[in-house]
Amino acid sequence: DIQMTQSPSSLSASVGDRVTITCRASHSLSGYLNWYQQKPGKAPKLLIFSTSSLQTGVPSRFRGSGSGTDFTLTITSLQPEDFATYYCQQTFSNLFTFGQGTKLEI
Amino acid sequence: EVQLVESGGGLVQPGGSLRLSCAVSGFTFKSYWMSWVRQAPGKGLEWVANIKQDGSETYYVDSVRGRFTISRDNAENSLYLQMNSLRAEDTAVYYCARDEAAAGTVHFAHWGQGTRVTVSS
Repeated sequence: DIQMTQSPSSLSASVGDRVTITCRASHSLSGYLNWYQQKPGKAPKLLIFSTSSLQTGVPSRFRGSGSGTDFTLTITSLQPEDFATYYCQQTFSNLFTFGQGTKLEI
Repeated sequence: EVQLVESGGGLVQPGGSLRLSCAVSGFTFKSYWMSWVRQAPGKGLEWVANIKQDGSETYYVDSVRGRFTISRDNAENSLYLQMNSLRAEDTAVYYCARDEAAAGTVHFAHWGQGTRVTVSS
């Protein structure tokens, strides 16, 4: 199975900051990497798919990049509603896997 | 509007069984792969299983293979997860999700609200 490792596990930031979350895969993903945001008690929300494609309705301050085994989610100019937990997900293999999550706190 | 509504969760003893359902509407169910994803209390997301449009292919995470069975009824627009030999570590909120295919990749743009399963004596 492909293992996904996110870093950091938690991150403190302020409104207006730029933050970067990284995700490393144990196998090359050929770009099959997605990012989700989850708030407490809610289902995850898709932000970015296929490494860098912005899901409809997601603000442009969310940006995805990367290739091979290393990927990043960057949030430029944090807004109050962005404080949440973020997960990467690989769908390169038939057995999909998520990273362990990054909790973004104020 | 795409809607996915899970049901069937509850409290079950270790070794017991439970069947989860996901009723969908707002899209052509038979055209999509579907997945189950779970989240243990205070933990991250774990993809559990998925199923092809006609049910002919299924995949499972190692920890549930042989105990859980994913199935679907395209006539009823419903997805199921039969869970047998349940263990305490299966305690989680279970979400159903629609597998979206784009440019050869897959992602989950639509999720249900989740149903809670608690395995405890």
